[in-house]
Amino acid sequence: SAVISQKPSRDICQRGTSLTIQCQVDSQVTMMFWYRQQPGQSLTLIATANQGSEATYESGFVIDKFPISRPNLTFSTLTVSNMSPEDSSIYLCSGRQGTAFFGQGTRLTVV
Amino acid sequence: DQQVKQNSPSLSVQEGRISILNCDYTNSMFDYFLWYKKYPAEGPTFLISISSIKDKNEDGRFTVFLNKSAKHLSLHIVPSQPGDSAVYFCAASEGSGGSNYKLTFGKGTLLTVNP
Repeated sequence: SAVISQKPSRDICQRGTSLTIQCQVDSQVTMMFWYRQQPGQSLTLIATANQGSEATYESGFVIDKFPISRPNLTFSTLTVSNMSPEDSSIYLCSGRQGTAFFGQGTRLTVV
Repeated sequence: DQQVKQNSPSLSVQEGRISILNCDYTNSMFDYFLWYKKYPAEGPTFLISISSIKDKNEDGRFTVFLNKSAKHLSLHIVPSQPGDSAVYFCAASEGSGGSNYKLTFGKGTLLTVNP
């Protein structure tokens, strides 16, 4: 099955700054997704990253806060903008080949 | 509103015994269900799935049972091994393909298998 390399694996950031998370897949995938897992919570879908067009965001998530790029079928980025401590979470990218597969996650702490 | 619920945050079993992890869902449109396993500092990895047209799917030591009328599924691991110790997530979607393929996850159950 395909493998996603996600980076950074963790980061500690100051409030008000932005962090861009990158995901590289070792093969082309049609669908890529971004999830967030807040402490003690389930994985929540942020958006579907569409190649060549704007991402499709789930209720409660907006492009200004979580801009997403998908320049080709193997790469995507998620930016967490103007961060606050409430953005401290694990962020996961996912691709789909049959079933969904995941990157190793980015543990973000905002101080 | 939690559409997929895993009511047991943790479960501890002895090596060689059966582990049973439970999951309930509320959305009657869900018709495809998956279990993922997650080790610390790693992403979730796919374990086993089941379509709503079936009530059982088996893969080696892992069996998933689906009770549609009760909106309940369970994952059985027999025999349990210490390497099975991980967080197990139940997930559901409306369909196994197409644009409706969005996974809704439960909060996970931490399984500890004691030697």
